Amino acid sequence: AQSVTQLGSHVSVSEGALVLLRCNYSSSVPPYLFWYVQYPNQGLQLLLKYTTGATLVKGINGFEAEFKKSETSFHLTKPSAHMSDAAEYFCAVSDTGRGADGLTFGKGTHLIIQP
Amino acid sequence: GAGVSQSPSNKVTEKGKDVELRCDPISGHTALYWYRQSLGQGLEFLIYFQGNSAPDKSGLPSDRFSAERTGGSVSTLTIQRTQQEDSAVYLCASNLDTFANTGELFFGEGSRLTVL
Repeated sequence: AQSVTQLGSHVSVSEGALVLLRCNYSSSVPPYLFWYVQYPNQGLQLLLKYTTGATLVKGINGFEAEFKKSETSFHLTKPSAHMSDAAEYFCAVSDTGRGADGLTFGKGTHLIIQP
Repeated sequence: GAGVSQSPSNKVTEKGKDVELRCDPISGHTALYWYRQSLGQGLEFLIYFQGNSAPDKSGLPSDRFSAERTGGSVSTLTIQRTQQEDSAVYLCASNLDTFANTGELFFGEGSRLTVL
């Protein structure tokens, strides 16, 4: 069975500072990995994904994540936080990529941006 | 439609009542999912529809929960005899084909259910 652990239910950073949201996963096979963002009162929106190939993945809004197999991690980073980045972020894993098994989501990390 | 549409956006009901939540996926999307989002608990998979295949109901938490999808498009999630622990945001998502092809689920804005 696959699982996702997001370290820190809340992360607070200053505007302009580095954003680092941690995600570790467990999977019995090479996984598909995702980061989704949820703004208040909205649904989830895909930030970026890793399926195969390059382990450093770039997404929207300046975010990127690196798949590290040896560490079973897929941490999300952004060099300089913006106030508009305040949202809930979810890491997700799928070990089959097929719908019936769906995505297993982490519990989410609430990102707070301090002015 | 342009995106996944869910209704109602908010529903307050009394314990023991039945509720229906509706999802209208993106036109042409064959895969449809329901998730439940509880405070501090992340997203919990409930049910998955793919085309005309039998749905995967493995995530439904009890027999009070059921869902159907008519004509391969609109889906309705029904919760019978609601309990306070059913209070959550119910999210619907759709996808054009098998999940692996695009790797992206398109989510609606959710239906927030409050059971008093």
